[in-house]
Amino acid sequence: TQLLEQSPQFLSIQEGENLTVYCNSSSVFSSLQWYRQEPGEGPVLLVTVVTGGEVKKLKRLTFQFGDARKDSSLHITAAQPGDTGLYLCAGDWGKLQFGAGTQVVVTP
Amino acid sequence: NAGVTQTPKFQVLKTGQSMTLQCAQDMNHNSMYWYRQDPGMGLRLIYYSASEGTTDKGEVPNGYNVSRLNKREFSLRLESAAPSQTSVYFCASLRQGGYEQYFGPGTRLTVT
Repeated sequence: TQLLEQSPQFLSIQEGENLTVYCNSSSVFSSLQWYRQEPGEGPVLLVTVVTGGEVKKLKRLTFQFGDARKDSSLHITAAQPGDTGLYLCAGDWGKLQFGAGTQVVVTP
Repeated sequence: NAGVTQTPKFQVLKTGQSMTLQCAQDMNHNSMYWYRQDPGMGLRLIYYSASEGTTDKGEVPNGYNVSRLNKREFSLRLESAAPSQTSVYFCASLRQGGYEQYFGPGTRLTVT
């Protein structure tokens, strides 16, 4: 089983602040996905990154895929309470392997 | 489209009881998956079905069985529930050649 480590486990910030979540592995991914999960619901895909060094933007969210395709980061600019949720990264090695997640809480 | 639906939403079982979790998708996806989610451990794959008529074990298959009834439906059975199976169970589906897995709303199972 491939191991995906996410950090930090928990992040609490004020509205308007920036935050970064990290996802790391010792193995190379063929692709990596970021999901957001809200309480009582299933995860919803935010983005898929495939190419080493790739950067994708989704409004205030910026996703980076490491050059060696072993790590990724999610950066949120000017966080809003609606960004509150569990952020999960998932590496694709034929089947998805999920990290444990980062719980983000944004308070007004 | 309803997407991926799961029943029931909540269930409490006593140790040793059996039950089947139901999952259905209306997106004509080939692949379907069962995960369990436990605090601090993310989502772990129990079983998956790459296409109708095939099923394969995932990371944590012990204590579970699955049936891919048809292209739409993929059920998960606990033959003799144990407290260690207390968890939230998610079903997901994936279209052929796609990246995005679509998840159902989950079943919260407690085994006492």
